[in-house]
Amino acid sequence: VQLQQWGAGLLKPSETLSLTCAVSGDSFSGYFWNWIRQPPGKGLEWIGEIVHSGTTLYNPSLKSRVTISVDTSKSHFSLNLTSVTAADTAVYFCARGEYGGLLDSWGQGTLVTVSS
Amino acid sequence: QSVLTQPPSASGTPGQRVTISCSGSSSNIGSNTVDWYKQVPGAAPTLFIYTNNQRPSGVPARISGSRSGTSASLAISGLQSEDEADYYCASWDDSLNGYVFGTGTKVTLL
Repeated sequence: VQLQQWGAGLLKPSETLSLTCAVSGDSFSGYFWNWIRQPPGKGLEWIGEIVHSGTTLYNPSLKSRVTISVDTSKSHFSLNLTSVTAADTAVYFCARGEYGGLLDSWGQGTLVTVSS
Repeated sequence: QSVLTQPPSASGTPGQRVTISCSGSSSNIGSNTVDWYKQVPGAAPTLFIYTNNQRPSGVPARISGSRSGTSASLAISGLQSEDEADYYCASWDDSLNGYVFGTGTKVTLL
């Protein structure tokens, strides 16, 4: 399986972060599709996940600003994060997972910088 | 924000054994399995150990994982230059209803 991600890399405060991850080489159904982020020089933070049916789970600390959606016809899933601030500056990764975690395939990562 | 605690660093000479600890609670490691990820600078993390002690294909047998109570550990035997990286533990947390990562440990060769 391969995950290829893309999206805008430079945002101003209060704008909306949008990233998309395309899945190829394996079935889209039967897995959990995740977003994770990593601020520069810091550790990993799980943002949330979606399954092909559209059911989602979000990190409680981000839940009010996060939407993860899926387009099964294209084997894509997307991340929207509203009202970004400098604290949202990070490398964002998409990843394939199983029930309870086990993220076995990752996208290449996208650096998103929030700056006025 | 991390609910899983790891030592910030670990080191050893070539050939030595290094162990990394991961401390959690009853809502995560105490009731769910543990995964470990390896991350080299500038790259995405890769799955290194899953379900407490299982090695994905390509991970050598000198790598092992274990879980006991609310803690887990990763052991690297026969330390090599390719082992220099950041390592993160992770587990599902039933209270947060989400996947949580450890604080990360940087492994260096002396």
